[in-house]
Amino acid sequence: DTEVTQTPKHLVMGMTNKKSLKCEQHMGHRAMYWYKQKAKKPPELMFVYSYEKLSINESVPSRFSPECPNSSLLNLHLHALQPEDSALYLCASSQDPGRGVYPQHFGDGTRLSIL
Amino acid sequence: AQTVTQSQPEMSVQEAETVTLSCTYDTSESDYYLFWYKQPPSRQMILVIRQEAYKQQNATENRFSVNFQKAAKSFSLKISDSQLGDAAMYFCAYRPRGSGTYKYIFGTGTRLKVLA
Repeated sequence: DTEVTQTPKHLVMGMTNKKSLKCEQHMGHRAMYWYKQKAKKPPELMFVYSYEKLSINESVPSRFSPECPNSSLLNLHLHALQPEDSALYLCASSQDPGRGVYPQHFGDGTRLSIL
Repeated sequence: AQTVTQSQPEMSVQEAETVTLSCTYDTSESDYYLFWYKQPPSRQMILVIRQEAYKQQNATENRFSVNFQKAAKSFSLKISDSQLGDAAMYFCAYRPRGSGTYKYIFGTGTRLKVLA
C-alpha cells in the first residue's frame, strides 16, 4: 500500500496550461520532497519542505512553483512548461532526517507529458 | 562533493540464485546513512534496506543483505534466492547525518533482470 498518495497519476498538458500536482501523507512526516525522474535515470531533487517551510530549491525554473499548505499536503503548480519537462514527478516524505536514519517514503508518481 | 556510483547499469540473475549489486560513494563525512531503494515498473520507489555508517554490523532484511566496507566506501547489496518480483531498478542512496541534512544523493541505478 502506498502511504504517500499522488494525484493525478497521469497528466497531459499543453505548454500554455496551468495545472497542479498534489501529494498527501498522513504519517506525521515533517519533511516532504519533490523529485523529477526521467526514464532509466535516478530521481533529481527539486524541492524540500521542512516543517512546512521551503528549505531546498535546487535551482528549479520558476515555471514550477511548490506549495506546502499544511504538514500533510504538498502541491506543485505548473505553468508554461516545456516539452523537456515531460517526466515522472515523484513526491516523498520522511521523518526529520536530523533525528535518525529515517528513509524517504515515495508515492507512485505523476507521469507528466507536455504537448 | 558527495557522489554515489553504481558501476553496473544492468545485471541478470537466474531465479533462486544470488546476485550482488555494487555501490561506491565518495564523502568526507564520517557519519552518514546509506540506503538501497527498489523501483519496479510500477514506479514506486520502495526502501529495501538501510545502514548507519557508525554501525559495523551489516544490515539484513530477509533475503537482502549488505556488505558495508566503510574504509573502502563500498555498500553492495546481496539478493539471495532471487525471485521474479525482484526485477526492478535498484538505486543506492547516501545521506549525511545531522539536522537539516535533507538531501539524498542517488546513484545512477542498476537494472536487475531475473530469468525464469
